Amino acid sequence: DAGVIQSPRHEVTEMGQEVTLRCKPISGHNSLFWYRQTMMRGLELLIYFNNNVPIDDSGMPEDRFSAKMPNASFSTLKIQPSEPRDSAVYFCASSRDRPEAFFGQGTRLTVV
Amino acid sequence: QKEVEQNSGPLSVPEGAIASLNCTYSDRGSQSFFWYRQYSGKSPELIMFIYSNGDKEDGRFTAQLNKASQYVSLLIRDSQPSDSATYLCAVRETSGSRLTFGEGTQLTVNP
Repeated sequence: DAGVIQSPRHEVTEMGQEVTLRCKPISGHNSLFWYRQTMMRGLELLIYFNNNVPIDDSGMPEDRFSAKMPNASFSTLKIQPSEPRDSAVYFCASSRDRPEAFFGQGTRLTVV
Repeated sequence: QKEVEQNSGPLSVPEGAIASLNCTYSDRGSQSFFWYRQYSGKSPELIMFIYSNGDKEDGRFTAQLNKASQYVSLLIRDSQPSDSATYLCAVRETSGSRLTFGEGTQLTVNP
């Protein structure tokens, strides 16, 4: 199994630009999580999906952030417009009917 | 009060010693507890989970859970330099699949 696949691995963008992060969960997993990790705040859950349906988006910082899961094998996290304070490592994780999650390698986002 | 609290460290132990990592949580109804290891620049990886009070052993790792005290710990026996990493405690809330993470404890094992 290839594990959770995220792209891109690194993204540098200018303030105000739209950023789209992508995630392919492990095949057969039915829960998908988006996390953000910073030195100041640690690992924060942004949103999670179960069977492609958003269950809890209370961690999404503001309306500039949106996430979709159009099918069981793909999810996106979009930031529009991006701001320097959005700079962080964004992780996608997935699981199957179990609470433990398996993480992708992350996308390091830098907004300048 | 944070939902999941860990000592941020850094914790430094000599090679071969026992490293003890601690975590407390606020939701008394929490059912599942996890320890993740994260090497610098890498993603978190699951190393242990525990659901019941008591100890659970896996190789050099032992997870300990005390629900009455809302306390979970991870012991690493015969610590190796390769154990040097940040250890994240995670707790599953009473309902749903949401995991809440502590801020992590940075462990350094000195040769």
